[in-house]
Amino acid sequence: TQLLEQSPQFLSIQEGENLTVYCNSSSVFSSLQWYRQEPGEGPVLLVTVVTGGEVKKLKRLTFQFGDARKDSSLHITAAQTGDTGLYLCAGARSGNTGKLIFGQGTTLQVKP
Amino acid sequence: NAGVTQTPKFQVLKTGQSMTLQCAQDMNHNSMYWYRQDPGMGLRLIYYSASEGTTDKGEVPNGYNVSRLNKREFSLRLESAAPSQTSVYFCASTRTSGITGELFFGEGSRLTVL
Repeated sequence: TQLLEQSPQFLSIQEGENLTVYCNSSSVFSSLQWYRQEPGEGPVLLVTVVTGGEVKKLKRLTFQFGDARKDSSLHITAAQTGDTGLYLCAGARSGNTGKLIFGQGTTLQVKP
Repeated sequence: NAGVTQTPKFQVLKTGQSMTLQCAQDMNHNSMYWYRQDPGMGLRLIYYSASEGTTDKGEVPNGYNVSRLNKREFSLRLESAAPSQTSVYFCASTRTSGITGELFFGEGSRLTVL
């Protein structure tokens, strides 16, 4: 059973379209991170959200942490081919310092 | 800027063979981690070391051992490799084991067990 469920697992869209990736759990997290991974490389941190309801923007990417700190979303506006990659959410739970729990990932393919 | 360096990048083993994956970081980080990545399953924590001299089990420790050799180096050993251990292994480090710390990952080690 995956503690953090990401959806969709695979997304193929045309350049210029908008998309949203979801990361859901029945557990509360102290913080939640989003990483992006390209083929043959390790994940790279995009953002960390720590407060319920928090919204962070990174250029065309908007990240939101749910009010109850059980879920998060990543919205990309006007996707570009350079956005192609694997997006991973990762949650940290209170008392489990150092043990980040990762979702299964969302593979995004943006076609020109 | 080396960051986190893993060796080897690729390895093929036969069932029952042993091997050690090496990881070194040059960022003076206290905490280091070993994850495995399998299709459709994200990253799963094998072992971690919150600080030099300590190691703890993660979600999937069976079949693995680790050594925190010093502050820079954290190795992962497979004593008797099994096909189920075919995976991509990532080493990561962070400045502290605080819950909001950014993980810095190596490029991965792709292991195939026949």
